Amino acid sequence: NAGVTQTPKFQVLKTGQSMTLQCAQDMNHEYMSWYRQDPGMGLRLIHYSVGAGITDQGEVPNGYNVSRSTTEDFPLRLLSAAPSQTSVYFCASSYTRQGVVSNSPLHFGNGTRLTVT
Amino acid sequence: KQEVTQIPAALSVPEGENLVLNCSFTDSAIYNLQWFRQDPGKGLTSLLLIQSSQREQTSGRLNASLDKSSGRSTLYIAASQPGDSATYLCAAPNRDDKIIFGKGTRLHILP
Repeated sequence: NAGVTQTPKFQVLKTGQSMTLQCAQDMNHEYMSWYRQDPGMGLRLIHYSVGAGITDQGEVPNGYNVSRSTTEDFPLRLLSAAPSQTSVYFCASSYTRQGVVSNSPLHFGNGTRLTVT
Repeated sequence: KQEVTQIPAALSVPEGENLVLNCSFTDSAIYNLQWFRQDPGKGLTSLLLIQSSQREQTSGRLNASLDKSSGRSTLYIAASQPGDSATYLCAAPNRDDKIIFGKGTRLHILP
């Protein structure tokens, strides 16, 4: 089982460039989310989705867009990269029940390490 | 707004000791609380999930407790081993399904 797959593993961008971080899961999870992890700041929620066609903002959504056209994929787009977006990005997924997060554990990908110069 | 706090930020203990990691949350209307382990440079691995109707969960040498009324959870590790060295994070959902993490406790087990 692949679980949650994130690509790429590493990425270097110049300020102002755009890119998409990919996240795919093969567990038929309806809930998917993106976090960024920075030293001393812990994991902060960027965006999340409780099912295909539904997305919502997390704690730090500015500068990022998401879409959820299928259950399996939840890409994160950086519109115009800034040095402040240098971070490690994690995608996570979980089951839902009747459209809300249920009592099942969150599964994480291995992360994408992004550097913006 | 859910806020999750973990104290201490770092902890070193000799091998073989039992230890407790603490997690507190501000919104007690949670339906579960999760504990995770993160090794350096890796993703997070789920350790234990305690449902709001439960008071504790056990897996091997790990035992997690939940006291909603006081807004606290603890992770108890028995007979610690060097392989337990990692960062331990707790996470709680808020009322609109945002799962909020604490900043973690970096645990170092001294051989």
